[in-house]
Amino acid sequence: GAVVSQHPSWVICKSGTSVKIECRSLDFQATTMFWYRQFPKQSLMLMATSNEGSKATYEQGVEKDKFLINHASLTLSTLTVTSAHPEDSSFYICSAILAGGPDGELFFGEGSRLTVL
Amino acid sequence: GQNIDQPTEMTATEGAIVQINCTYQTSGFNGLFWYQQHAGEAPTFLSYNVLDGLEEKGRFSSFLSRSKGYSYLLLKELQMKDSASYLCAVRPSGYGQNFVFGPGTRLSVLP
Repeated sequence: GAVVSQHPSWVICKSGTSVKIECRSLDFQATTMFWYRQFPKQSLMLMATSNEGSKATYEQGVEKDKFLINHASLTLSTLTVTSAHPEDSSFYICSAILAGGPDGELFFGEGSRLTVL
Repeated sequence: GQNIDQPTEMTATEGAIVQINCTYQTSGFNGLFWYQQHAGEAPTFLSYNVLDGLEEKGRFSSFLSRSKGYSYLLLKELQMKDSASYLCAVRPSGYGQNFVFGPGTRLSVLP
């Protein structure tokens, strides 16, 4: 079946540094990918919609200059957390929809747990 | 606006049956999905309803009533490994568009 791979799974960084998270669709092309943030015991919060070849669409309240999203190819989207601070510590998950799939369900990456010291 | 409600937590016994309810109010409707998420992991797809009625998949069944804005996920013959969060999600608009997720229901299965 369709697989979405996310890397890295865990990352610890110092405050003020930048961290890049990659999301790849391994066996299908994804023109649209979604990036979510999840705090402990809470549901998924959509951060932005990543569109191949164009600018990402950010949800209200999400700083586009802080969370840089690039979708340069049909199989890769990246999320860069710039000048990370401890409050950015969270679980970040990407997802993609398999075009032509029977239900159009979302396939999720494994998630990336970011800890900012 | 978009709003999806689920119970926050539920507890059930191994071997039992549990029903997790979901109510939604969204700007549109183009399908309702249930996902399972174990702690620290990404969600995995369980079921999909777009028409009224019951969809059965092994031990899991999902029901939808569009007129009532209501769905439930039924888990039979509960196993310890079913302890997880269950997310109800609605696709308000067209195929390929984003989903709106509910808060999730944390299910604990006790021996």
